[in-house]
Amino acid sequence: DVVMTQTPVSLSVSLGGQTSISCRSSQSLVHSDGNTYLYWYLQKPGQSPQLLIYKVSNRFSGVPDRFSGSGSGTDFTLKISRVEPEDLGVYYCYQGTHYPWTFGGGTKLELK
Amino acid sequence: QVQLQQSGTELVKPASSVKISCKASGYTFTSYYISWIKQTTGQGLEYIGYINTGSGGTNYNEKFKGKATLTVDKSSSTAFMQLSSLTPDDSAVYYCARGRTFAYWGQGTLVTVSS
Repeated sequence: DVVMTQTPVSLSVSLGGQTSISCRSSQSLVHSDGNTYLYWYLQKPGQSPQLLIYKVSNRFSGVPDRFSGSGSGTDFTLKISRVEPEDLGVYYCYQGTHYPWTFGGGTKLELK
Repeated sequence: QVQLQQSGTELVKPASSVKISCKASGYTFTSYYISWIKQTTGQGLEYIGYINTGSGGTNYNEKFKGKATLTVDKSSSTAFMQLSSLTPDDSAVYYCARGRTFAYWGQGTLVTVSS
């Protein structure tokens, strides 16, 4: 199975600040169809995960432009700028290229 | 709006089975697969498998073959997951999600396996 490694495990940020989360995969996530199926989710306390970014860098409907995704191959980054209280929670990366699809271990974003 | 409404909390005994439901609304049910995901504190999020809501075809993570059985009732826009031969390791929150990108999630069903 493809191992998704997220760093850091936890992160403290000030409101209005900027931060980034890294996600590395044990194999390239470029699919044979040319797409890279790397996604980012946020799970707020007590809620289900919600999709933020799909296929590396595309924001899902309603996701503010404070969130941006980048990367290629095995190395991906989620950047959050102008952090707001509603951004706090656990962030997960996920790969849908190689079956079985797998998630990263999560990065907890907390207030400094 | 798209909604996935899951059945409620289950407290079940070891060696028994449980069936969780996921009722979809707000979109054409057969246009998207339904996927199932397990969440535990120790193992995080694990992908279980998906069901093609149109054909009923399924695809399972090897780890969950023999443990999970996915079915669908198109007439009620509902997907089901049955978990069998339950052990305490099956205690978790189980989510259904739409498609293979998990654009929408159910609220989760807590399953606790305890004697």
